[in-house]
Amino acid sequence: EDKVVQSPLSLVVHEGDTVTLNCSYEVTNFRSLLWYKQEKKAPTFLFMLTSSGIEKKSGRLSSILDKKELFSILNITATQTGDSAVYLCAVEAVRNDMRFGAGTRLTVKP
Amino acid sequence: GAGVSQSPSNKVTEKGKDVELRCDPISGHTALYWYRQSLGQGLEFLIYFQGNSAPDKSGLPSDRFSAERTGGSVSTLTIQRTQQEDSAVYLCASSTGGTASEQYFGPGTRLTVT
Repeated sequence: EDKVVQSPLSLVVHEGDTVTLNCSYEVTNFRSLLWYKQEKKAPTFLFMLTSSGIEKKSGRLSSILDKKELFSILNITATQTGDSAVYLCAVEAVRNDMRFGAGTRLTVKP
Repeated sequence: GAGVSQSPSNKVTEKGKDVELRCDPISGHTALYWYRQSLGQGLEFLIYFQGNSAPDKSGLPSDRFSAERTGGSVSTLTIQRTQQEDSAVYLCASSTGGTASEQYFGPGTRLTVT
């Protein structure tokens, strides 16, 4: 059965800390892995990863995929209170539905 | 299981036909959302239902799209006169209510318009 597992489920840090969010998956016919930030009703797309070992970076956020070990990490450096959100990982398989993880709720305290 | 369910899981239709997509939210969840995920794109918000309030339709891309939620539970997304650009995965999510609430997503319906 296809599944996407995110860890931790929740995380509380202080401003300036660096966090690493994890996403592991078991999906048949993998196509891509996507990260979203969910603050309000519409999750915001962060990254799409399709190839192993190539880091994607956007400001303080970065992500990398390991297709051999079937996981991805999302790093956030120098966290700010505005980073507080639920971070969703989703895996898209060829000709299949997207499978989302349960999300990691990140709380950044001042 | 008690998660969000959607049907059908896959739908192939010819251009110009109407389609109906169904979403069964988690029991007791008052909020229900529809999203669209086109190939390689992020989630696109379509419509939001909260309790008995009038739905937020601000994300519907055209008047060919409509949605209803009967009895505060099951929702149907209808696309009339489908176009090829409507091909996407349509995701439904539910939550306990309020825009800050964590949303639980269904597995989606992959729509292909030929």
